[in-house]
Amino acid sequence: AQSVTQLGSHVSVSEGALVLLRCNYSSSVPPYLFWYVQYPNQGLQLLLKYTSAATLVKGINGFEAEFKKSETSFHLTKPSAHMSDAAEYFCAVTSNTGNQFYFGTGTSLTVIP
Amino acid sequence: NAGVTQTPKFQVLKTGQSMTLQCAQDMNHEYMSWYRQDPGMGLRLIHYSVGAGITDQGEVPNGYNVSRSTTEDFPLRLLSAAPSQTSVYFCASSYTPPRSGGVYNEQFFGPGTRLTVL
Repeated sequence: AQSVTQLGSHVSVSEGALVLLRCNYSSSVPPYLFWYVQYPNQGLQLLLKYTSAATLVKGINGFEAEFKKSETSFHLTKPSAHMSDAAEYFCAVTSNTGNQFYFGTGTSLTVIP
Repeated sequence: NAGVTQTPKFQVLKTGQSMTLQCAQDMNHEYMSWYRQDPGMGLRLIHYSVGAGITDQGEVPNGYNVSRSTTEDFPLRLLSAAPSQTSVYFCASSYTPPRSGGVYNEQFFGPGTRLTVL
């Protein structure tokens, strides 16, 4: 069985500050991990994904995430928050044996001017 | 390419009514899926399809039916709407199923359908 847990349903940061959104996964097989972003009243779009090629994954809009097997984590970071980063962020997991994606409950990011 | 399209964008139903949410993709994607999004619960998979003529249940299939007669279309049918089905529904597609890895299992999402059942 696979699942993801996103710690913190709401995160607030000041503009220019570090963004850290947490995701821990549970998987009995090597996972594929994803971060998606959802802007208000829109569908989800892919930020980045881990598919075992490299543990540090760079995505769009300056975001990156590091896969840490020992910690079963895939936290999303961005060095300097912009106002345009305000959105809902979802972590998701699947595997090379599965037909389903499993999404976390989401983290709403607020950027304070 | 239009990507993944969904109609309608908004719908209000009365309890007991039936309706079909439409989803279409023009990317020749093999895998299609339906999710519902509820506050504090993230996205939950309703049904998915790994190709034309093949569908399977996800996490929350009760009260919903799907069919996949063509590669492009994957409609979701609500048989007898209930207030508990008030939600935002997203259709998504990918070139290959999730297990394939590589660059081909990225899911592309439609803009969503906001459904209210009174």
